[in-house]
Amino acid sequence: GAVVSQHPSRVICKSGTSVKIECRSLDFQATTMFWYRQFPKQSLMLMATSNEGSKATYEQGVEKDKFLINHASLTLSTLTVTSAHPEDSSFYICSARADRADLATNEKLFFGSGTQLSVL
Amino acid sequence: EDQVTQSPEALRLQEGESSSLNCSYTVSGLRGLFWYRQDPGKGPEFLFTLYSAGEEKEKERLKATLTKKESFLHITAPKPEDSATYLCAVQGARTGNQFYFGTGTSLTVIP
Repeated sequence: GAVVSQHPSRVICKSGTSVKIECRSLDFQATTMFWYRQFPKQSLMLMATSNEGSKATYEQGVEKDKFLINHASLTLSTLTVTSAHPEDSSFYICSARADRADLATNEKLFFGSGTQLSVL
Repeated sequence: EDQVTQSPEALRLQEGESSSLNCSYTVSGLRGLFWYRQDPGKGPEFLFTLYSAGEEKEKERLKATLTKKESFLHITAPKPEDSATYLCAVQGARTGNQFYFGTGTSLTVIP
């Protein structure tokens, strides 16, 4: 199956700093990528839909200026947590939707391995 | 509003003890129901997609079934390596790309 690489897998930062998380589709193009947040023992909550070449669509309650999303190419989307605070500590997961019909199999979405963010 | 509810929240099984996980859903125009496995600190791993009531999919010890209101993930003779959180998600016609995820069932298989 198609591979989505998410980096870094774990990051620890000080309060007030910014952290960038990358999500790359390695062997397919993805016009649309999604960013999720997951708290321990809870479900994946969609934060935003990232579209190549246009502004991201944020879910209700998600601060655009806090969570900056850039989808500058068909294989890369980034999520920047600006001025991070301890309450931003969470597991962040990206997923990509394949553009190509032959990859748009039953799997539909391909997930990265996640980034555990800890803000001290 | 589209909703997904999974039960039980947690399940402990002895190795070889078969059981089922439930995913109840409410969605306008089901485009797909998805099952994923998630290990701690990892992203979800795709298992199955079901599209219409009556459909069944199998993979090794896992079998997924679908009705108009719910899906079951049957685990036959589980092994310790099947221990993980199993997530269910639905995609509805009204919400386009968005997947609604349930909170998952944490499965522990004891040797």
